Amino acid sequence: DTAVSQTPKYLVTQMGNDKSIKCEQNLGHDTMYWYKQDSKKFLKIMFSYNNKELIINETVPNRFSPKSPDKAHLNLHINSLELGDSAVYFCASSQTGGSGANVLTFGAGSRLTVL
Amino acid sequence: DAKTTQPPSMDCAEGRAANLPCNHSTISGNEYVYWYRQIHSQGPQYIIHGLKNNETNEMASLIITEDRKSSTLILPHATLRDTAVYYCIVRPTGNQFYFGTGTSLTVIP
Repeated sequence: DTAVSQTPKYLVTQMGNDKSIKCEQNLGHDTMYWYKQDSKKFLKIMFSYNNKELIINETVPNRFSPKSPDKAHLNLHINSLELGDSAVYFCASSQTGGSGANVLTFGAGSRLTVL
Repeated sequence: DAKTTQPPSMDCAEGRAANLPCNHSTISGNEYVYWYRQIHSQGPQYIIHGLKNNETNEMASLIITEDRKSSTLILPHATLRDTAVYYCIVRPTGNQFYFGTGTSLTVIP
């Protein structure tokens, strides 16, 4: 079983469309994240949810709306897609608390191409 | 979060030890040092972490200097599959992970 799974793996779409990327984790973690990796390979955190509540929202346009129906799922919906949204989006999860070993587990990524 | 400085790239011969340095001179007392790697087109993978003491697991060893201002990740016997970008991150408990530019390690046959 894949620990953190994302769908779709590849997504090609036109500018102006709306699309969603789904993420599920079966690790029992209480925190989930979305990261964006652009063409220059910088990996930047976008959002973080703890027990379905938003705790981190970096400077991300309002067109990006995360949704967490339960703590095992964190979906990313993007409205009015722009060329600059082309990137690989990674979902991750972790368990907070404990001795400080807050290890992130990443999904395989979803490559979004906006034409 | 404390900033980290890593060399942008390194080469290592297959079968030899790969020693990847990281400078974190502004690290605070409660900040852990984490290492992740990203093999081409895959999600980042956790390698190891530590606070003060040296650590070893099945993947690597982490050597942290006594003043904690720098650390070294050691891959004892590098293989071609270890070719990846290696990220050194320092963060206190509970805070988010911010990735820098990392070190691109190439293992040469």
